[in-house]
Amino acid sequence: AAGVIQSPRHLIKEKRETATLKCYPIPRHDTVYWYQQGPGQDPQFLISFYEKMQSDKGSIPDRFSAQQFSDYHSELNMSSLELGDSALYFCASSSLGGGSYNEQFFGPGTRLTVL
Amino acid sequence: AQTVTQSQPEMSVQEAETVTLSCTYDTSESDYYLFWYKQPPSRQMILVIRQEAYKQQNATENRFSVNFQKAAKSFSLKISDSQLGDAAMYFCAYRELNTGGFKTIFGAGTRLFVKA
Repeated sequence: AAGVIQSPRHLIKEKRETATLKCYPIPRHDTVYWYQQGPGQDPQFLISFYEKMQSDKGSIPDRFSAQQFSDYHSELNMSSLELGDSALYFCASSSLGGGSYNEQFFGPGTRLTVL
Repeated sequence: AQTVTQSQPEMSVQEAETVTLSCTYDTSESDYYLFWYKQPPSRQMILVIRQEAYKQQNATENRFSVNFQKAAKSFSLKISDSQLGDAAMYFCAYRELNTGGFKTIFGAGTRLFVKA
């Protein structure tokens, strides 16, 4: 079965550079969530999109922005990177189209290292 | 705000034995979901088991079962017949039903070691 695809899987950047992380949800999923997991930390919710509109916002820095495109894939743009941005970034997708339970399927994550 | 607390940073169990991981949460909502996720060294987030708050019956998935105490806001995970492959970080998680966004709130995690 198709899973959530994230690219790239690993990314190394210098401080003050920019990074773009991509997420391709499971086919027919209309909702995407972004989470940040720092070293030894639990995943923290950043932002979510439903039908290409932002649906919720968590502790996402102003330096970060995200959007969901017409094909439902999402991109997380990170500017002025800081050392503390080094983390594993998860994308998850779900379908809110029906049913009371909509499981979030997690992608494998993008490991971002800021030097 | 909703919070999830896992008070055991690490747990250890002998292979084939049973271990229970603790989790408490705080919410004013009546409808929500609770989850246990497993994160092995690959760091892939794997759903182990889920519980709907409106269901009184505890969820069970093969060797994994939960003890859901809604009034006490407690949600523990029991792993029976522990296997070496169960060694991982386990996250307890909460998700609301009725508000927009449906974000998942995770606990700090419990690292489980399985001894041969």
